[in-house]
Amino acid sequence: KQEVTQIPAALSVPEGENLVLNCSFTDSAIYNLQWFRQDPGKGLTSLLLIQSSQREQTSGRLNASLDKSSGRSTLYIAASQPGDSATYLCVTQGGSEKLVFGKGTKLTVNP
Amino acid sequence: EPEVTQTPSHQVTQMGQEVILRCVPISNHLYFYWYRQILGQKVEFLVSFYNNEISEKSEIFDDQFSVERPDGSNFTLKIRSTKLEDSAMYFCASSGRGSGGPRTDTQYFGPGTRLTVL
Repeated sequence: KQEVTQIPAALSVPEGENLVLNCSFTDSAIYNLQWFRQDPGKGLTSLLLIQSSQREQTSGRLNASLDKSSGRSTLYIAASQPGDSATYLCVTQGGSEKLVFGKGTKLTVNP
Repeated sequence: EPEVTQTPSHQVTQMGQEVILRCVPISNHLYFYWYRQILGQKVEFLVSFYNNEISEKSEIFDDQFSVERPDGSNFTLKIRSTKLEDSAMYFCASSGRGSGGPRTDTQYFGPGTRLTVL
């Protein structure tokens, strides 16, 4: 059974700082890995999707890497802004349709 | 931009009552999902639905739960005889159909329905 773990559980940084969120998963037989953002009252938004054959994906100030063999992924956020404050979820998809979520890292970016 | 919508945003019910949570997926999507998140816990998969039948369900999705697509636009989750432990945020999601099937498509999530069972 896939388990997804995220470290740290919470992170508070000053505006402008670069930061890294970490994710590990127990079963390397994944089809893809996504990073989602969760805002209160606004549901879950997919930020980046990395297929198992890929090593990384970039979107604007976000860069996600995937090392499937070691069961790790990182989300790098450059030049953080207060609007980046949210909970970031690492999510894997294996041989079925269901997504397996980590518990998330709650990020606070202070002005 | 198309989005998944869910109603109501908050539902309060008494233990033992039946509730129906409603979702309108993105119009050209073919795959539909329900997930739930108990306060402070991870988001958990409940069920996936394709071509008018359940394609996968978790061990959480027992006989107490059922899903239906009653018309061309709505997707519902029914919980019979609610229990205190059913209190959670319930998310609906939908995905299209990439060339590689549902696993190549992002699932788009609605804002959720917060269910409180008293």
